Amino acid sequence: ETGVTQSPTHLIKTRGQQVTLRCSSQSGHNTVSWYQQALGQGPQFIFQYYREEENGRGNFPPRFSGLQFPNYSSELNVNALELDDSALYLCASSLVGGAGYTFGSGTRLTVV
Amino acid sequence: DAKTTQPNSMESNEEEPVHLPCNHSTISGTDYIHWYRQLPSQGPEYVIHGLTSNVNNRMASLAIAEDRKSSTLILHRATLRDAAVYYCILRDHYSGNTPLVFGKGTRLSVIA
Repeated sequence: ETGVTQSPTHLIKTRGQQVTLRCSSQSGHNTVSWYQQALGQGPQFIFQYYREEENGRGNFPPRFSGLQFPNYSSELNVNALELDDSALYLCASSLVGGAGYTFGSGTRLTVV
Repeated sequence: DAKTTQPNSMESNEEEPVHLPCNHSTISGTDYIHWYRQLPSQGPEYVIHGLTSNVNNRMASLAIAEDRKSSTLILHRATLRDAAVYYCILRDHYSGNTPLVFGKGTRLSVIA
């Protein structure tokens, strides 16, 4: 059973740039969620995808967008990066109706 | 969202039992109590979940109060590898694939 893998592990971007983060779901999972975790805080829900459609969104602006592919892998895109976007971005996969989420180790994004 | 309250931090000696409390006075009848933990430099990891009855698995035990307004995660013998942030989360079982809503959790330190 493979887990959730995220790439890259670390990334440095300049304010105003765009970034794409990638996630491969755990085998058999059909739902993927993305979270942002600032230093010292719990993860904050960004959005969730099921069957390639967004089916839930947290309090994040439209410049945060995503995609889910037929093989259940996913991307998180952030446009017009701001300094406050510096955080650990976590991807989690699950089965609809399942009890648990499996998280990746995250991508550490630094915006300078 | 239903809220949980946890102490910011706790400390335990190695090989001693640890009781991590969580208050959730506004819990609804369909909310499951989930626990996740986040080890340093990793994503959160599922620990255990329950509805009304106490639950045991290989990682921990979950004791749920009779009125369900509080619960306790029990690590029977803390090891250094149990040092992590522990999150208590309520999740409505009947609202589809609802995302996890994290608070700040309890940071557990284990002393050798």
